[in-house]
Amino acid sequence: NAGVTQTPKFQVLKTGQSMTLQCAQDMNHNSMYWYRQDPGMGLRLIYYSASEGTTDKGEVPNGYNVSRLNKREFSLRLESAAPSQTSVYFCASSEQSPGQGAHEQYFGPGTRLTVT
Amino acid sequence: AQSVTQPDIHITVSEGASLELRCNYSYGATPYLFWYVQSPGQGLQLLLKYFSGDTLVQGIKGFEAEFKRSQSSFNLRKPSVHWSDAAEYFCAVGAVGGADGLTFGKGTHLIIQP
Repeated sequence: NAGVTQTPKFQVLKTGQSMTLQCAQDMNHNSMYWYRQDPGMGLRLIYYSASEGTTDKGEVPNGYNVSRLNKREFSLRLESAAPSQTSVYFCASSEQSPGQGAHEQYFGPGTRLTVT
Repeated sequence: AQSVTQPDIHITVSEGASLELRCNYSYGATPYLFWYVQSPGQGLQLLLKYFSGDTLVQGIKGFEAEFKRSQSSFNLRKPSVHWSDAAEYFCAVGAVGGADGLTFGKGTHLIIQP
């Protein structure tokens, strides 16, 4: 039982390049999330998926796209990377379902992305 | 919408001393409250959670937290800290039916002095 896994762990991009961050969970969770973490800013929600086949914008979605490929996998794509997207990206999953009370989230180890 | 405030950006505590990390939330109904810990270079790990019932909740690694509705607070405590407790601590609040999950505070960085 690996929990939440993320690839890659580290990545350096040049401005304008694209890349996809991969996330997978093996806990059969309905909901998945992408956050970015910047110093002094805490965690900010980029996108989330409340169920397979649905995705919604979070607090800071600009410059990103997501795909909920199946129940296990939720990817984050940067189409044209900018230095402002230098950050640590975390994927999380939860049993959360619409209309229920809040559930704890389980986090992956993170991807440290640098855009030069 | 809910929000979380962690008033202390940094806290320094001597090893063996007691610890209290503050968390205040804003939410119109009974909140779901969480504390997470993040060690350097790691993801977030759940320490404890409060949904209902007893307002004093016990977590892992000897941590506890007390929910005080009148003060809109959920402070984290530990009677005696260890050097391995040095980390970033995040308080989070969730809402009923909140499909977008939890709202996190900005975190408190805990430094342990020998």
